[in-house]
Amino acid sequence: DGGITQSPKYLFRKEGQNVTLSCEQNLNHDAMYWYRQDPGQGLRLIYYSQIVNDFQKGDIAEGYSVSREKKESFPLTVTSAQKNPTAFYLCASRRGGNEKLFFGSGTQLSVL
Amino acid sequence: RKEVEQDPGPFNVPEGATVAFNCTYSNSASQSFFWYRQDCRKEPKLLMSVYSSGNEDGRFTAQLNRASQYISLLIRDSKLSDSATYLCVVNIRYNQGGKLIFGQGTELSVKP
Repeated sequence: DGGITQSPKYLFRKEGQNVTLSCEQNLNHDAMYWYRQDPGQGLRLIYYSQIVNDFQKGDIAEGYSVSREKKESFPLTVTSAQKNPTAFYLCASRRGGNEKLFFGSGTQLSVL
Repeated sequence: RKEVEQDPGPFNVPEGATVAFNCTYSNSASQSFFWYRQDCRKEPKLLMSVYSSGNEDGRFTAQLNRASQYISLLIRDSKLSDSATYLCVVNIRYNQGGKLIFGQGTELSVKP
């Protein structure tokens, strides 16, 4: 079955540590996105990529980094510079343009 | 003013009630529109796309008013299983692609 796979489902970060969230899709979608969701709030865009080897900052990119070396994969690194990383992280993809968005099941990141 | 604004919730309704959600958007370059449903701590799932002529899917009806820049979602004969947060999503033409803007969500609670 085609879809988007995020891992891990739960992740704990120690202070000063970088952690990487995985996102893989086999939908052959060009565009991929990372969102952050805090309790009771909407989704905020961290980074997005419309094509392999290219990505753009979203509204809250500080303290995060991404890469897009393969069409299928768009990992997100939460760096130690992100002082408040506890949140629900959602990866999404779509074919492009005006198409609808498909989401992974999310990663809950917490700070130890 | 936020780019996409939804009715503040929560909406608490009895089973069988009809409930309507509204969403306004500010960018006239908005091209496509969607309603997503999100259950607690899960990923958003597409409920329906919104077409200019309006569209219906069972108990759900979506309307778009481009002149007034709002979209609506009507749920008839509410079920307990409709309890969730409903997200309005607007796609804006941006950089040869599209930029998706999410509303903050409206929570619906259907009671027996």
